[in-house]
Amino acid sequence: QKEVEQNSGPLSVPEGAIASLNCTYSDRGSQSFFWYRQYSGKSPELIMSIYSNGDKEDGRFTAQLNKASQYVSLLIRDSQPSDSATYLCAVRSNDYKLSFGAGTTVTVRA
Amino acid sequence: ETGVTQSPTHLIKTRGQQVTLRCSSQSGHNTVSWYQQALGQGPQFIFQYYREEENGRGNFPPRFSGLQFPNYSSELNVNALELDDSALYLCASSKTTGDRTEAFFGQGTRLTVV
Repeated sequence: QKEVEQNSGPLSVPEGAIASLNCTYSDRGSQSFFWYRQYSGKSPELIMSIYSNGDKEDGRFTAQLNKASQYVSLLIRDSQPSDSATYLCAVRSNDYKLSFGAGTTVTVRA
Repeated sequence: ETGVTQSPTHLIKTRGQQVTLRCSSQSGHNTVSWYQQALGQGPQFIFQYYREEENGRGNFPPRFSGLQFPNYSSELNVNALELDDSALYLCASSKTTGDRTEAFFGQGTRLTVV
């Protein structure tokens, strides 16, 4: 079983729609959860951190965490062409290591 | 901009050679970690340094080694390069506030082994 799994893409959404990205993790002791955005040929950029169950909103992004279900998601509202990228879910399970999913590629159609 | 700087940005090496990649961490960050990202995959943890000591290592062979310097900058060394070492190498510096740690990546070094 992979440590972090993301829903397979690619995900194509029309401009203005909501993009929904899902991630599950295997280590029940995980405490910190992150979403990174990675444009093609670039490095990952941290866009959201979440540590407690529930929702966390930052602009058009909402992260949701459910530790009992070992599930974290990211919603992108009012999707824009500039949101077209690969989104990486990352989980920190101990003091040092970030475990990443393989990423979900999102394409926003104008 | 994250304030994390890596050099060089691109590198081509021959199988069997050795390579050194460099990273300058963000000011105030004393933890540096290195990741390898193959095409189409998520980054894989190589190792982490805290105050010049390695304090965590992923599933990579000993020919992957590193250093952290007193100014918290870091090096990743790879000996006896193999074709499968071709990847994007990412350095991340971390800031801890209480029990929360966030990692910020440099722009990466694209290594091609031929």
